[in-house]
Amino acid sequence: AQSVSQHNHHVILSEAASLELGCNYSYGGTVNLFWYVQYPGQHLQLLLKYFSGDPLVKGIKGFEAEFIKSKFSFNLRKPSVQWSDTAEYFCAVNARGSGYSTLTFGKGTMLLVSP
Amino acid sequence: DTGVSQNPRHKITKRGQNVTFRCDPISEHNRLYWYRQTLGQGPEFLTYFQNEAQLEKSRLLSDRFSAERPKGSFSTLEIQRTEQGDSAMYLCASSLGAGGSYNEQFFGPGTRLTVL
Repeated sequence: AQSVSQHNHHVILSEAASLELGCNYSYGGTVNLFWYVQYPGQHLQLLLKYFSGDPLVKGIKGFEAEFIKSKFSFNLRKPSVQWSDTAEYFCAVNARGSGYSTLTFGKGTMLLVSP
Repeated sequence: DTGVSQNPRHKITKRGQNVTFRCDPISEHNRLYWYRQTLGQGPEFLTYFQNEAQLEKSRLLSDRFSAERPKGSFSTLEIQRTEQGDSAMYLCASSLGAGGSYNEQFFGPGTRLTVL
């Protein structure tokens, strides 16, 4: 079974600071990787995804993530955060062993951006 | 609103009571998923349907949990004889999909269950 580990449960940044949220997964086979975001009072929504190809993927709102297969990592980055990026961020994996049907999520990282 | 909807949004019940939650997926989506999220954790997969067929239910937490999707449209999740440990947010998601392919799952707002 696959598992996902997110390094930080809470991150506090000032506006314009750079962001990197760590995510590692454990699974020996082929996976798809995702970052979901949940803004206060809103649904979970997809931020970006990696299926194959270029390991650097770009998502909405200036976010990007890099898949490093040798490290089983899929870290999320943003060069300059805004107050509106305050949200909870979840890394998730979807594995061929599950028929690509289920998502396994990490525990999430709460990001607070102060103006 | 054409997104995934869930009802009720909040449910407070006493221990031992049965509860049922409803999920209406995006209309053209044939896959429907249930997840549970407890405080400080990410969503945890419970079960999923492709049309009316329940293709994975081994992750349901106990035999007190059951789900149906009788006509391949909306789905219900029932918890019998609720326990305080069942208090959580129950999330529904839907997607297109068939066979071994993956398609983006769209999540609903969730139903927050509190068991007293």
